[in-house]
Amino acid sequence: DVKVTQSSRYLVKRTGEKVFLECVQDMDHENMFWYRQDPGLGLRLIYFSYDVKMKEKGDIPEGYSVSREKKERFSLILESASTNQTSMYLCASSFRGRSGYTFGSGTRLTVV
Amino acid sequence: AQSVAQPEDQVNVAEGNPLTVKCTYSVSGNPYLFWYVQYPNRGLQFLLKYITGDNLVKGSYGFEAEFNKSQTSFHLKKPSALVSDSALYFCAVRGFMIYNQGGKLIFGQGTELSVKP
Repeated sequence: DVKVTQSSRYLVKRTGEKVFLECVQDMDHENMFWYRQDPGLGLRLIYFSYDVKMKEKGDIPEGYSVSREKKERFSLILESASTNQTSMYLCASSFRGRSGYTFGSGTRLTVV
Repeated sequence: AQSVAQPEDQVNVAEGNPLTVKCTYSVSGNPYLFWYVQYPNRGLQFLLKYITGDNLVKGSYGFEAEFNKSQTSFHLKKPSALVSDSALYFCAVRGFMIYNQGGKLIFGQGTELSVKP
């Protein structure tokens, strides 16, 4: 069964910490995405990547960065975590073209 | 601008009754349309998609959706709701795709479906 794996289901970090959220897919997908999900705001795109070492800003990139050194791995980095980054983070991947996304199970991050 | 609207934040249905979750879209060109479901504290799961062809699309768990080009709608339906269908449902559209940059899905805000026994 194809999978998108996010390294942590729940994470608690302190304000100011550098936080890494990891996402790995085993489907040889070209595209990978990071979203955050907050009540009443739906899914908001943070960053996406359509190829190795390529990245594009989404709708809310401020306070985040990403890394894609290998095709299967897309990391989201919170350079200095803040309480307003407490959220559910969802990773997704897709083939180029007509396909939809395959999502990971999500990481619920709490910044205290 | 490309967009997706789910006009209802919540839909309440009695078990055994038919259900409809509404979605309308605005996109350049021919749309690729998707429905996803999310159970509490989980990621989104794919339900069904419309790319081309028959306007009635059948998907997982007995769900189906009807594409209506003139009304720019893609409503999700099920003839007989189950309590286990209670979840958050997202409609998404994939429109114009810049060559070699993949394609982003644009998501609606989500509709909470509650099915009561």
